[in-house]
Amino acid sequence: AQSVTQLDSQVPVFEEAPVELRCNYSSSVSVYLFWYVQYPNQGLQLLLKYLSGSTLVESINGFEAEFNKSQTSFHLRKPSVHISDTAEYFCAVTPGGRSNDYKLSFGAGTTVTVRA
Amino acid sequence: GAGVSQSPRYKVAKRGQDVALRCDPISGHVSLFWYQQALGQGPEFLTYFQNEAQLDKSGLPSDRFFAERPEGSVSTLKIQRTQQEDSAVYLCASSSSIAPGQGAGNTIYFGEGSWLTVV
Repeated sequence: AQSVTQLDSQVPVFEEAPVELRCNYSSSVSVYLFWYVQYPNQGLQLLLKYLSGSTLVESINGFEAEFNKSQTSFHLRKPSVHISDTAEYFCAVTPGGRSNDYKLSFGAGTTVTVRA
Repeated sequence: GAGVSQSPRYKVAKRGQDVALRCDPISGHVSLFWYQQALGQGPEFLTYFQNEAQLDKSGLPSDRFFAERPEGSVSTLKIQRTQQEDSAVYLCASSSSIAPGQGAGNTIYFGEGSWLTVV
């Protein structure tokens, strides 16, 4: 089984400041890793994912996350946030490779509030 | 439709009442998932359908929970004799891929959720 720990439940940040959301996972097998974002009153949207290859993955709106196998982490970063980045962010994991498991295991979420 | 549609968006039920939550997946999507998200928690898997077949219901918390997808498109999650601990957001998601596959990059699309409050 897999599990995800998001170390920060709330992250307040000023506009144009950097932000880092921490995610650690536990798994006995290889994994695929995801970050989802949930804007107020909207559904979950996939932000970025790591499947294989380069350990640094990027989204179209400036977020990046780095897979660190030795640290079992997949932290999310953005060098300069906007008011519109205010949302809840969920880290998720699923078994990778040839696994038949399709279930996503989510962390508890991190609420990012960007202030002017 | 353009996205996954869920109804009702908000439901207040009296304890003991039965509720039915509907999900309209993206047209043509073969895979459909239900997740439960309690307040302050991340979503947790409830059940999975591949077309009309319910291949996995291991996450359903009790026999009061029942899901169906009779024609392989619209799905209904039914909760009988609701309890206060059933209060949560119920998320439906769909994918064009047949699981396993979402890990290979086929995106799962989530609806906005049905917010259930049991009083």
